[in-house]
Amino acid sequence: DTAVSQTPKYLVTQMGNDKSIKCEQNLGHDTMYWYKQDSKKFLKIMFSYNNKELIINETVPNRFSPKSPDKAHLNLHINSLELGDSAVYFCASSLPPQVGTQYFGPGTRLLVL
Amino acid sequence: KNEVEQSPQNLTAQEGEFITINCSYSVGISALHWLQQHPGGGIVSLFMLSSGKKKHGRLIATINIQEKHSSLHITASHPRDSAVYICAVSRGYGGSQGNLIFGKGTKLSVKP
Repeated sequence: DTAVSQTPKYLVTQMGNDKSIKCEQNLGHDTMYWYKQDSKKFLKIMFSYNNKELIINETVPNRFSPKSPDKAHLNLHINSLELGDSAVYFCASSLPPQVGTQYFGPGTRLLVL
Repeated sequence: KNEVEQSPQNLTAQEGEFITINCSYSVGISALHWLQQHPGGGIVSLFMLSSGKKKHGRLIATINIQEKHSSLHITASHPRDSAVYICAVSRGYGGSQGNLIFGKGTKLSVKP
């Protein structure tokens, strides 16, 4: 069974469109994260959610919005996509952050044309 | 300057060699993580440590809090160890402890 899954794996879309990436974890973890890996392979945190409450929101555009319908899911919605949004987006989860080890999803490769 | 610096950026080794990857950070941290990103893109957490040393198989991670430095060692390297190794630190405490700040990674290639 996949611990952290993301759909879709690949997403190709036009500038200006709205898209969503889904993330699910079956580990019973309390905290979930979204990371962005840019074209230079540099990772940066975007959001984290703990028990359905946003606890970190780094300086990302408000076109990006995380939505957590329950503890096992953290979806990423992106409005008005721009060329610069092209990247690989990783979802991850962990037990309460004090325990630390994060489990990553396989990534979603987004290409905006 | 990035808050987390890794060296070297690229490393090529022969199978069987002992490998060391270094990580230095410039901020106060609650923990340091070593991650491995496979050529296919998947990311796996190798270690999380806040003091001392941890060992898992042929991998050893050490941290010196006073010097703000960590090393990842691979003994008896093998071509399957070829990957990008990423150092990351947790800065916060409590709810924000999961906020990882990443280094730029070290690309390791082990030749048979």
